[in-house]
Amino acid sequence: QLQLQESGPGLVKPSETLSLTCTVSGGSIRSSSHYWAWIRQPPGKGLEWIGRIYYGGTTYYNPSLKSRVTISVDTSRNQFSLKLSSVTAADTAVYYCARHSGADGSLDYWGQGILVTASS
Amino acid sequence: QSVLTQPPSASGTPGQRVTISCSGSSSNIGSNTINWYQQLPGTAPTLLIYSNNKRPSGVPDRFSGSKSGTSASLAISGLQSEDEADYYCGGWDDSLNGYVFGTGTKVTVL
Repeated sequence: QLQLQESGPGLVKPSETLSLTCTVSGGSIRSSSHYWAWIRQPPGKGLEWIGRIYYGGTTYYNPSLKSRVTISVDTSRNQFSLKLSSVTAADTAVYYCARHSGADGSLDYWGQGILVTASS
Repeated sequence: QSVLTQPPSASGTPGQRVTISCSGSSSNIGSNTINWYQQLPGTAPTLLIYSNNKRPSGVPDRFSGSKSGTSASLAISGLQSEDEADYYCGGWDDSLNGYVFGTGTKVTVL
């Protein structure tokens, strides 16, 4: 059974860079049929797609976050990562990693999520 | 800001049928498949419906999806107390070249 697990600091200071890692277990990140995505959810609000990456490195980003986001992949560790620069309080959210089906675009496996608070 | 619009809330008594709409445009629902996600309180979302109307293994058949033009719908028949959750539609948007979610609908079982 595929599992995804987010890890990283739960507190980030404003203007600094948020860095999270998603570890994939029970399957290979080197799948030709899937992408790997980050999604976030501010407290009490809806879901926002941040972006996705293919194991070969191809990325797609949400246009509203593109200038501050970098998603990378480490196939040797079966991990992919998120960096979000110049954070503000508006970036406080639960961050989820998930797998995107390449066939229909659905997000079929999700991590449990990690709360990241942007505060001094 | 979400490009897919859902009603903020829906409700029904146990056993009733509840329908949730998802309205989009030609660049998203009109040209790509729609997926639905269920988010139980305090948990991560899970895939409920994919490719407009297909259910992943383990999802009860009282959940069904449909799509017509630039709108999609999720129906829950035989509503149960455990169906109380937030529901989101989602799909690819060709204009944004990214994935978009609906605004979300909170379903309450009365």
